[in-house]
Amino acid sequence: GNSVTQMEGPVTLSEEAFLTINCTYTATGYPSLFWYVQYPGEGLQLLLKATKADDKGSNKGFEATYRKETTSFHLEKGSVQVSDSAVYFCALSGATNKLIFGTGTLLAVQP
Amino acid sequence: DTAVSQTPKYLVTQMGNDKSIKCEQNLGHDTMYWYKQDSKKFLKIMFSYNNKELIINETVPNRFSPKSPDKAHLNLHINSLELGDSAVYFCASSQATDNYGYTFGSGTRLTVV
Repeated sequence: GNSVTQMEGPVTLSEEAFLTINCTYTATGYPSLFWYVQYPGEGLQLLLKATKADDKGSNKGFEATYRKETTSFHLEKGSVQVSDSAVYFCALSGATNKLIFGTGTLLAVQP
Repeated sequence: DTAVSQTPKYLVTQMGNDKSIKCEQNLGHDTMYWYKQDSKKFLKIMFSYNNKELIINETVPNRFSPKSPDKAHLNLHINSLELGDSAVYFCASSQATDNYGYTFGSGTRLTVV
């Protein structure tokens, strides 16, 4: 079945550091891929998405590229801020539109 | 205007009680979901309804019963609550015909004591 694997956290960075959170997936067909962010005490918000191979999703300085050859959708940001501290979830949606999440990665950015 | 709203935000109750969580969306979406997030932040889908019809029913104890009176509402009723039911429950909605992802509510933190 479909599944998502993302790097375990916590990831601790200093402000302005470069961020990468790895995500790989297993799926039949051509899923859509998503990154969601959950700030403390809040629900999940869609951060970015890509619906086909080589698409790049981007939002708020975050980027991720749908790589079919490596079945990956790694999240990157060039310069993180303290306000980016949150839990980040990689997810995929297949033919049934059911959203399957990775285990989440806690990002802590220190000033 | 809140797109997906859940009530209550917090719920503390004793073992054995029956409780309900309500969810409403004003996005005009045709599909609604319930997810459970455990203490390690793992998210697992429980149920999905499309136009009031149950389409996803994962392995969930039958003490959990969803009810969808119309496509804008999906409520979750839990009978005979157990300690292990303590978690954050998220409602979400989407439009089945697009790939824009889900819109989530802010969650209901259920604590069973």
